[in-house]
Amino acid sequence: AAGVIQSPRHLIKEKRETATLKCYPIPRHDTVYWYQQGPGQDPQFLISFYEKMQSDKGSIPDRFSAQQFSDYHSELNMSSLELGDSALYFCASSFWTGKRYEQYFGPGTRLTVT
Amino acid sequence: DAKTTQPNSMESNEEEPVHLPCNHSTISGTDYIHWYRQLPSQGPEYVIHGLTSNVNNRMASLAIAEDRKSSTLILHRATLRDAAVYYCILPKTGNMLTFGGGTRLMVKP
Repeated sequence: AAGVIQSPRHLIKEKRETATLKCYPIPRHDTVYWYQQGPGQDPQFLISFYEKMQSDKGSIPDRFSAQQFSDYHSELNMSSLELGDSALYFCASSFWTGKRYEQYFGPGTRLTVT
Repeated sequence: DAKTTQPNSMESNEEEPVHLPCNHSTISGTDYIHWYRQLPSQGPEYVIHGLTSNVNNRMASLAIAEDRKSSTLILHRATLRDAAVYYCILPKTGNMLTFGGGTRLMVKP
């Protein structure tokens, strides 16, 4: 079965640079979520989109922005990168029917800021 | 999200059943109970969810107390591959998940 695709899988950037992470949800899924997981920490919700509109916002820094496109893929844009942004970034997708349905996670993008 | 409480860690022997408890005494009537797990170096993985009745799927069973203030995830035969951090989550608005305070399950051969 098709899974959530994230690219790139690994990314190395320097401080103050920008990074763009991409997420391709499972076909027919209309909701995308972004999570950040720092070293030794639990995943933290950043932001989500339903039908290309932002639906929820978590602890996402102002330096980060995201959007969902007409083909439902999503991009997380990160600017003025800091050392503390080094983390695993997971994208998840789900099909929203008004019930609390499961989210399917991608393999993650490991971002290292040097 | 309603607060959940889980043991920090548990140990199990391979091929034995595992019962992972979760307390959620402030659960509301519309809160679903979700379980996710995260294997080492992987993204979280959906395990099971339920509202009031016990639920079974190919991965696990979810037993929900009658008053819904607690639930138990049951792995019927633990394998080494089940070693992971298990999270009990009660998602609220937008279905966003709040991960925290999960149980690290160790499976001994």
